[in-house]
Amino acid sequence: AQKITQTQPGMFVQEKEAVTLDCTYDTSDQSYGLFWYKQPSSGEMIFLIYQGSYDEQNATEGRYSLNFQKARKSANLVISASQLGDSAMYFCAMRELTQGGSEKLVFGKGTKLTVNP
Amino acid sequence: ETGVTQTPRHLVMGMTNKKSLKCEQHLGHNAMYWYKQSAKKPLELMFVYNFKEQTENNSVPSRFSPECPNSSHLFLHLHTLQPEDSALYLCASSQEWVGTEAFFGQGTRLTVV
Repeated sequence: AQKITQTQPGMFVQEKEAVTLDCTYDTSDQSYGLFWYKQPSSGEMIFLIYQGSYDEQNATEGRYSLNFQKARKSANLVISASQLGDSAMYFCAMRELTQGGSEKLVFGKGTKLTVNP
Repeated sequence: ETGVTQTPRHLVMGMTNKKSLKCEQHLGHNAMYWYKQSAKKPLELMFVYNFKEQTENNSVPSRFSPECPNSSHLFLHLHTLQPEDSALYLCASSQEWVGTEAFFGQGTRLTVV
């Protein structure tokens, strides 16, 4: 079963506007972490923002904020004042334990964001 | 620059070749990972190393052979690959159990011909 679901394969936004990228997750753990990464065409995965399951406040990092709704198991990324350089793939991920007891990140399929001038 | 360096950035190899991918981190992290990213598929975890010990092999075919000589270096040795192994291979490191993010390298884009 898919643990991270990103239902928007592609999104378009006008420069300077805000955009919300959706992410829902599935876990039975009480303690977990949620991440958003940006992947430009160069390939590198760039960490954007983190939300812990026990964090009461929504995480914010500059123009990025995470709309965390625990009961609905959603962790949407909000990008304010979009810039042309925000055009990239965006991945939602959740930290979970492997069978060997290590931590790993489980990723969604991603959303391709295009910012139009 | 995230502190995780992968070489080479691009690699084209034949199915009978042997090649190696290299990953290096000087962030003092105790865990290193190999992920595979194929077109239109989520990132797939391949291997996890914690303090140089392999703690996860996600049912990866034996034609992929990881090596972690120390906590700063991670290799992925490739031999007799198939065209379907063509993908972006990403290395990452993290400090386990601290709740911090994983840092990724820029990846090696592998094409098997």
